[in-house]
Amino acid sequence: QKEVEQDPGPLSVPEGAIVSLNCTYSNSAFQYFMWYRQYSRKGPELLMYTYSSGNKEDGRFTAQVDKSSKYISLFIRDSQPSDSATYLCAMTLTGGGNKLTFGTGTQLKVEL
Amino acid sequence: GAVVSQHPSRVICKSGTSVKIECRSLDFQATTMFWYRQFPKKSLMLMATSNEGSKATYEQGVEKDKFLINHASLTLSTLTVTSAHPEDSSFYICSARARQGVDQPQHFGDGTRLSIL
Repeated sequence: QKEVEQDPGPLSVPEGAIVSLNCTYSNSAFQYFMWYRQYSRKGPELLMYTYSSGNKEDGRFTAQVDKSSKYISLFIRDSQPSDSATYLCAMTLTGGGNKLTFGTGTQLKVEL
Repeated sequence: GAVVSQHPSRVICKSGTSVKIECRSLDFQATTMFWYRQFPKKSLMLMATSNEGSKATYEQGVEKDKFLINHASLTLSTLTVTSAHPEDSSFYICSARARQGVDQPQHFGDGTRLSIL
């Protein structure tokens, strides 16, 4: 069993839709959770960085962490074609500056 | 802020050549930098952790004599792929953590696509 499971997609949605991306993990010791966006042939770009269970909102993005269920989510509201990318969840034991364990990434396509 | 620059973005070279990739933190000091490798449609695989002024820590299965890492300053780390072969072809990405603490997230460069003929 992988430490972090993430549906690879591809996920295709119409413009304006609400997108839900999810990861589950097996190691209850993970404390910090991140979502990165990666465009083709580019490096990952940090979108959200959370520590505690609950929700964190930034613009159209909401990150949700449920440590009891070992489940994290990223919601994108009013999705745009420019949101088309691969979304990677990542987590770490002792802080985002240490060794990250990544999910395999979900490929998202937002269509006009 | 938190910009990481990686150079070159693309390298094509013959088998047996050694290739150096640079990773620079442009607007912050990075005590620690990380080197990853990514295969097509796969996630990032950590190769090594690079600490300024000390030897890099390599992940299991990564040959340290093959992938030489130097972190000589707080803004620059280099990865040298020695005597590269076609199986070394991949997308190499670095990241850097701001100096002030392990709870700071990593910021990534745009990667180097290495193709060995």
